[in-house]
Amino acid sequence: KAGVTQTPRYLIKTRGQQVTLSCSPISGHRSVSWYQQTPGQGLQFLFEYFSETQRNKGNFPGRFSGRQFSNSRSEMNVSTLELGDSALYLCASSLVAGSYNEQFFGPGTRLTVL
Amino acid sequence: GENVEQHPSTLSVQEGDSAVIKCTYSDSASNYFPWYKQELGKGPQLIIDIRSNVGEKKDQRIAVTLNKTAKHFSLHITETQPEDSAVYFCAGGYGGSQGNLIFGKGTKLSVKP
Repeated sequence: KAGVTQTPRYLIKTRGQQVTLSCSPISGHRSVSWYQQTPGQGLQFLFEYFSETQRNKGNFPGRFSGRQFSNSRSEMNVSTLELGDSALYLCASSLVAGSYNEQFFGPGTRLTVL
Repeated sequence: GENVEQHPSTLSVQEGDSAVIKCTYSDSASNYFPWYKQELGKGPQLIIDIRSNVGEKKDQRIAVTLNKTAKHFSLHITETQPEDSAVYFCAGGYGGSQGNLIFGKGTKLSVKP
């Protein structure tokens, strides 16, 4: 069974640009969550999607947005990039939402903002 | 809101020794406490979890204990091996929502052969 895949693995952008990251969950998983990981703040929750609906959103500015498609694949978008957005962005999938069933993380997308 | 503190931030042990990582949480409503292992270049991987109706759980060389009264939980790794070297994260949450799952800052474990 293929794991969670994230594309691209690495991105370099400049301030003010926007970026779209993609996540393909494990087949059959309908819940997708996104996290930002930095050395200073650790793992911070961005949002959770289930059946194309955003169930939860973390404490991030509106520049961070996401969506989920009918095949459960998900994208997140960051507009007007700032230096502080440099981080590892992780996607995780689980079978369903609303209960703590196991989350499977992808390898992440390393975003560098110059 | 929930706050999860994790100690130590780095831990170095000799192969074969035991390693213990401790976490405390603030929200008494938290009832789910997973532990993740993150190897270099990979995403976190769930290694064990415990729910608040259980005090201890064991899986081969890994065990987790939970003290609800003191609001702390610990990860114990026995007979450590070099492949146990990684960053370990604890987390605490409630309500089944990933948005309520708060992570500790991580412990970098190094196992020296």
